[in-house]
Amino acid sequence: AQKVTQAQTEISVVEKEDVTLDCVYETRDTTYYLFWYKQPPSGELVFLIRRNSFDEQNEISGRYSWNFQKSTSSFNFTITASQVVDSAVYFCALSLGGYSFNKFYFGSGTKLNVKP
Amino acid sequence: DTGVSQNPRHKITKRGQNVTFRCDPISEHNRLYWYRQTLGQGPEFLTYFQNEAQLEKSRLLSDRFSAERPKGSFSTLEIQRTEQGDSAMYLCASRSIWGGFFGPGTRLTVL
Repeated sequence: AQKVTQAQTEISVVEKEDVTLDCVYETRDTTYYLFWYKQPPSGELVFLIRRNSFDEQNEISGRYSWNFQKSTSSFNFTITASQVVDSAVYFCALSLGGYSFNKFYFGSGTKLNVKP
Repeated sequence: DTGVSQNPRHKITKRGQNVTFRCDPISEHNRLYWYRQTLGQGPEFLTYFQNEAQLEKSRLLSDRFSAERPKGSFSTLEIQRTEQGDSAMYLCASRSIWGGFFGPGTRLTVL
C-alpha cells in the first residue's frame, strides 16, 4: 500500500525565517513520482515540483529547495527567507510510475503561517 | 492559470437532492481525475478517465456517485440523494508527464 505522511500539522514562523516541511512516503514500487503542491486560502492546488524515484538530485528554485533521500523515504521542502505570501497549506503527494501516470496519494498537509 | 476549469465553484443543496459538477481539463491532456477533499485533509482519489474510458474507481465512490466523460473532453460528476457527509471540495485534475494540474474545485455544502 502507498502512504504519505506529513507529521507537521501546522508551523508558524516569522517572515525571513527558513522553514522545512517534512514528507515521508511508503511504497514498495521502485518507480514512482513525488510532488509538492501549495494550496493557498483560495483553495486551488498549485503544482510546485515533481521528482522521480531515479533522480535523487536536490533541486533549488529561487527560495524553494527540495531534498529527496531514498534511504529515509523522505522528500522534504525548504523555504528560505519565508514571506507572508508563502502562507498556505502544503501537500506532498506520491504517484506510482512507469509510463502511466497514475493517481496521487496525498499527505494530510502542513499549514504554514508566516507572520510579518 | 492552470487551464483546468470547474463549475460551479460553490453549491449549496438540501439533503436528498441531486447535484452535478462539471470539469473542463486542459485540452491536450487525455487523463482526467476527480478527487474529494474534506476539511483538514489531503485530497482523496475518486476516479479517473483516459479519454472517455473510466479506468478506475475508488471505494469512496458509492453507487450514488457517477462520473462521465463523453467524447473524452469535459467530465461531469453527479451525486444522487446527497447526504451531509458528501459536503467537501470536489477537485478535478488533468495530467501531463510533468505533473497534475488541478482546477479550483467545487465546494459542496449539503444542509
